[in-house]
Amino acid sequence: SQTIHQWPATLVQPVGSPLSLECTVEGTSNPNLYWYRQAAGRGLQLLFYSVGIGQISSEVPQNLSASRPQDRQFILSSKKLLLSDSGFYLCAWRSGRASTDTQYFGPGTRLTVL
Amino acid sequence: GDSVTQMEGPVTLSEEAFLTINCTYTATGYPSLFWYVQYPGEGLQLLLKATKADDKGSNKGFEATYRKETTSFHLEKGSVQVSDSAVYFCALKGGGADGLTFGKGTHLIIQP
Repeated sequence: SQTIHQWPATLVQPVGSPLSLECTVEGTSNPNLYWYRQAAGRGLQLLFYSVGIGQISSEVPQNLSASRPQDRQFILSSKKLLLSDSGFYLCAWRSGRASTDTQYFGPGTRLTVL
Repeated sequence: GDSVTQMEGPVTLSEEAFLTINCTYTATGYPSLFWYVQYPGEGLQLLLKATKADDKGSNKGFEATYRKETTSFHLEKGSVQVSDSAVYFCALKGGGADGLTFGKGTHLIIQP
């Protein structure tokens, strides 16, 4: 069966510090991968998605970036965090087959920027 | 663009009450529709889905019917339990961008 991991689970970082969040998927190949952010009062917002290694699409311009160095690894980064980057970051995957729409989510990372 | 609207709550009910959480959407074409549930401190779990008009998704006593004429996908359960307390998200997958479009979530509180 497929599983998705995220780490760290929680993170407290000062403004201006760098960020690296990691997501890995097991039990599947060539998944589509996604980063979402859940901010207070704003629901879930799609940040990035990837259909393959090195292929990243950005949905929202901001000071975050994403990379996919391996087939089942997806990384969210920032060079300098802002207060507004605080939130709950969720990674998700779905099968690369076009007939499947369902996305499966990881446990999330709670980021607090102080 | 695509959008999803749902009541935000909190919605507070007594155990064994009937539940309805409304969800309406705006999308071009024929989106797939989903309900996800988020328990405290956890990620999202798929609760149910429907991919075409008049389809009914069901799971764990929850049901939702894809109504294209009213662009709705309301979530219902006949008798809720304390363990159903969570945040429920309605979402759609349209024909455009690859990601899901979510509503803001409905916080459900079930009291014993």
